[in-house]
Amino acid sequence: DVKVTQSSRYLVKRTGEKVFLECVQDMDHENMFWYRQDPGLGLRLIYFSYDVKMKEKGDIPEGYSVSREKKERFSLILESASTNQTSMYLCASSLRVWDNEQFFGPGTRLTVL
Amino acid sequence: GIQVEQSPPDLILQEGANSTLRCNFSDSVNNLQWFHQNPWGQLINLFYIPSGTKQNGRLSATTVATERYSLLYISSSQTTDSGVYFCAVRGTDKLIFGTGTRLQVFP
Repeated sequence: DVKVTQSSRYLVKRTGEKVFLECVQDMDHENMFWYRQDPGLGLRLIYFSYDVKMKEKGDIPEGYSVSREKKERFSLILESASTNQTSMYLCASSLRVWDNEQFFGPGTRLTVL
Repeated sequence: GIQVEQSPPDLILQEGANSTLRCNFSDSVNNLQWFHQNPWGQLINLFYIPSGTKQNGRLSATTVATERYSLLYISSSQTTDSGVYFCAVRGTDKLIFGTGTRLQVFP
């Protein structure tokens, strides 16, 4: 069974803190993605990675960075959390970049106070 | 870029009823997925269906790529079917999601 896991379901942080969101997939997928989902704005792509140590910006990369040191793990980093980064964060993976099914993790609901 | 529209935006059903959700897209696509987002926020894969028809239990989906639409059928709905249903298609360089259909099924 395909499995994507995220380190936390709920997270509360303070403004200015550095925040790490972790995502792990066990399917040997090449590609991993980070999205955020906000009411009225839908899902928006933050960053994606098509190989270890490779990354590409999505639609809204500002205020975020990513790290992919191992194939199975893709981390999203908020260098200095702000209240407008309060959101639902969803990680996904796929075998090939776009012409394959994407599988999503359970999501992390982040609140920045 | 590709536009993805879903209808209806909201749907309220009694348990046991059938429903059809529609996804229209503005250009030809190579990749179309249907997801169910449960009340806890997780996106569950329902179908990967760039074309043709697939069935999985009470759910089935049909994509007519030449006419740029896909349909998701839910038969004998159950309260656990409640949530938001998204279709997503591949654009030039990303997956583009529709705005979703919110389904509520009451006992």
